[in-house]
Amino acid sequence: GENVEQHPSTLSVQEGDSAVIKCTYSDSASNYFPWYKQELGKGPQLIIDIRSNVGEKKDQRIAVTLNKTAKHFSLHITETQPEDSAVYFCAASEPAGKSTFGDGTTLTVKP
Amino acid sequence: EPEVTQTPSHQVTQMGQEVILRCVPISNHLYFYWYRQILGQKVEFLVSFYNNEISEKSEIFDDQFSVERPDGSNFTLKIRSTKLEDSAMYFCASSVESGTYEQYFGPGTRLTVT
Repeated sequence: GENVEQHPSTLSVQEGDSAVIKCTYSDSASNYFPWYKQELGKGPQLIIDIRSNVGEKKDQRIAVTLNKTAKHFSLHITETQPEDSAVYFCAASEPAGKSTFGDGTTLTVKP
Repeated sequence: EPEVTQTPSHQVTQMGQEVILRCVPISNHLYFYWYRQILGQKVEFLVSFYNNEISEKSEIFDDQFSVERPDGSNFTLKIRSTKLEDSAMYFCASSVESGTYEQYFGPGTRLTVT
């Protein structure tokens, strides 16, 4: 089955700096890669996603890149703000819809 | 904006009891999912459901688990005989299509088995 590895497990940055979280996946059948932000006591909220036929996608301060050959994808957050502090999960989804999540990255943005 | 809702928000039950967790997916969505998250750990897939059938299930989803769409709006997860290790947050999600389509997650039900 699919295996997703996510690094780092914790990340602390100063407000205004950039943050990068990286994930690798194992199953070449996975074709959809969402990123979720989870705040304490809440469900995962989709923040950006990328499909396997695209190499990069950007939405304001958030961008995601995908390297299908190497089976890795990354989340980039620029100009971080304290409200970006949360746990971020990457996931790899198979055509049937099953999503395999990474272990999560706890991002702390210090004011 | 449409959202997935779940009830109850917190359920406490004794070991061996049956529990039913309820979800109302977004109304035009056709694919439904249950995930669980043990405290401090990652989100784990349990089951996907489409057209009144299970599409896929994980090894976690054993015979003590079942899912049902009893009417046009609700989607339920039943745990027949709860164990201590079933204590977790259970998230329902729904999507318009499977695969490369966004899954929208509900706020979760915290299940505590004592």
